[in-house]
Amino acid sequence: QSVLTQPPSVSGAPGQRVTISCSGSSSNLGHDVHWYQHLPGTAPKLLIYANNNRPSGVPDRFSGSKSGTSASLTITGLQADDEADYYCQSYDSTLSTFVFGPGTMVTVL
Amino acid sequence: QVQLQESGPGLVKPSETLSLTCAVSGDSINSNNWWTWVRQPPGRGLEWIGEIYHTGRADYNPSLKSRVTISVDTSKNHFSLNLTSMTAADTAVYYCARHGVNGWAFDYWGQGTLVTLSS
Repeated sequence: QSVLTQPPSVSGAPGQRVTISCSGSSSNLGHDVHWYQHLPGTAPKLLIYANNNRPSGVPDRFSGSKSGTSASLTITGLQADDEADYYCQSYDSTLSTFVFGPGTMVTVL
Repeated sequence: QVQLQESGPGLVKPSETLSLTCAVSGDSINSNNWWTWVRQPPGRGLEWIGEIYHTGRADYNPSLKSRVTISVDTSKNHFSLNLTSMTAADTAVYYCARHGVNGWAFDYWGQGTLVTLSS
């Protein structure tokens, strides 16, 4: 059972915007949040680091935000190859471990 | 381009020790980054196992600490995971990753290797 909460799935039509939430507590989302895209069988990919920063090469269709003990990842202009699992991740100072959310499956209708 | 590649046995017997190695290319393991192991049991989420700095300092998930050892070989530019007393609950895809100090995210990952318990 993860200390971070994400919806199991979200969906949208091509071109639409979807938002994935990640909620927790001050012991975890009081720290920076990072987001990863993962297609089964492949290496997870860093999408957003330190709440709202995109690594080089990540399209600006992906954006992140954090407020208090909640964070979100927004994908605009949804594309077919955005279908994947998305994970939020932070550090939990009570558990003394890095933690991941349970993951959200994005489906493009 | 930083690349990581896991290697090791795909089958481990119950109670035995899992040993995996992660070869790093495109970066020196002596760089100012940490080197991490993460796993994903079938149908479940990602779990941080632990990580190591090139000096040999390591941090572990408290839930696994008694069974985990991570080591680094700077001459071979790789790092390794040992997990003792394997059980069915340890069946998972094991990933190695770089924990970049710039932003403190896991910025490069290997493809992962599936480890299954077999009697």
